[in-house]
Amino acid sequence: GIQVEQSPPDLILQEGANSTLRCNFSDSVNNLQWFHQNPWGQLINLFYIPSGTKQNGRLSATTVATERYSLLYISSSQTTDSGVYFCAVARGNNRLAFGKGNQVVVIP
Amino acid sequence: NAGVTQTPKFRVLKTGQSMTLLCAQDMNHEYMYWYRQDPGMGLRLIHYSVGEGTTAKGEVPDGYNVSRLKKQNFLLGLESAAPSQTSVYFCASSYGTGGLNTEAFFGQGTRLTVV
Repeated sequence: GIQVEQSPPDLILQEGANSTLRCNFSDSVNNLQWFHQNPWGQLINLFYIPSGTKQNGRLSATTVATERYSLLYISSSQTTDSGVYFCAVARGNNRLAFGKGNQVVVIP
Repeated sequence: NAGVTQTPKFRVLKTGQSMTLLCAQDMNHEYMYWYRQDPGMGLRLIHYSVGEGTTAKGEVPDGYNVSRLKKQNFLLGLESAAPSQTSVYFCASSYGTGGLNTEAFFGQGTRLTVV
């Protein structure tokens, strides 16, 4: 199956700082999604981004499908950004394969 | 529009007991999935369905069965629960791969403890 690697595994940020999370994957994909798992365990859809660039408020994402990686940018981080960020990719039958996540802690 | 709803949210079972987790979606999605999440790990696919009346095995299917009798519902069964099945279970749904948008949406999760 497809291998998904996320880096860095853990990140501590001062409130207001910017950060970049990276997702590498081992094969071509037709779906790539970024999720935020909040402290209550809910998985929140951030981006559906098999290719290209998207922005949503302070968050943006870029996927370079030909080079098999995606980046998630968090700007002006807030304490509510804390949690685990997951990258997930899929090929046939849209079976998502997840990375192990980026644990982000934003301190005030 | 509720999206994906899982029932129950929490459950404690004794080893050997059986139970069924229910997933319901109101987005008219063809595809539905069951995942489990263990501490420090991403989600792993248990079983999935590409349409009413169809099911298929995922990455970690042993000890689980599923049924998709109606398009909007996907049931996950544990016939004889084991402590190794203690986990958080997530259901998801999406349109099929024939369309342009295959974004998957997840339920709120079911926390299952087997003692």
